[in-house]
Amino acid sequence: GENVEQHPSTLSVQEGDSAVIKCTYSDSASNYFPWYKQELGKGPQLIIDIRSNVGEKKDQRIAVTLNKTAKHFSLHITETQPEDSAVYFCAATDSWGKLQFGAGTQVVVTP
Amino acid sequence: GAVVSQHPSRVICKSGTSVKIECRSLDFQATTMFWYRQFPKQSLMLMATSNEGSKATYEQGVEKDKFLINHASLTLSTLTVTSAHPEDSSFYICSAMGQGPYEQYFGPGTRLTVT
Repeated sequence: GENVEQHPSTLSVQEGDSAVIKCTYSDSASNYFPWYKQELGKGPQLIIDIRSNVGEKKDQRIAVTLNKTAKHFSLHITETQPEDSAVYFCAATDSWGKLQFGAGTQVVVTP
Repeated sequence: GAVVSQHPSRVICKSGTSVKIECRSLDFQATTMFWYRQFPKQSLMLMATSNEGSKATYEQGVEKDKFLINHASLTLSTLTVTSAHPEDSSFYICSAMGQGPYEQYFGPGTRLTVT
């Protein structure tokens, strides 16, 4: 089955700096890779996603890159702001179309 | 668009009672919904896949007689925790599959505390 690993588990950045979170997956058939942001006590919010036919996607300060050969994908947040502080989860589809989640990254943006 | 609601947002119940959680897709129809469970500082654990008009499929280790799922319409799925015990206390989150393949939009979650 699909196995998704996510690093780092915690990430502390200064406001204005960039944050990068990396994930690897095991199932070469995976073709959809979403990223979710979860604030304390709330449900995950889809912030960006990428499909296997694309190598990079950007939405304002957020970008995601995908390397299918190496089976890894990354989330990049530029010009971080305090409101970016949250837990971020990567995910990948398994052969049944269900999402397998990484363990999460706690991002703390310090002013 | 793609808004999913859950009700209630938090519930406290006594051991042995049953609790029903509702998940609704507000502005789109969802033939498939998912139920997850999340423990503090952990990732999301898929419990079951709910398909409109058919029986839910449960992940390995999830008791289908304890966690009853009903998906009676294209906008509503319910999860009933039967004979709840303190170990069932958790954060339960539903998601609904959107228009794009594999896209999932999550509800705000329900905090269940069993005393």
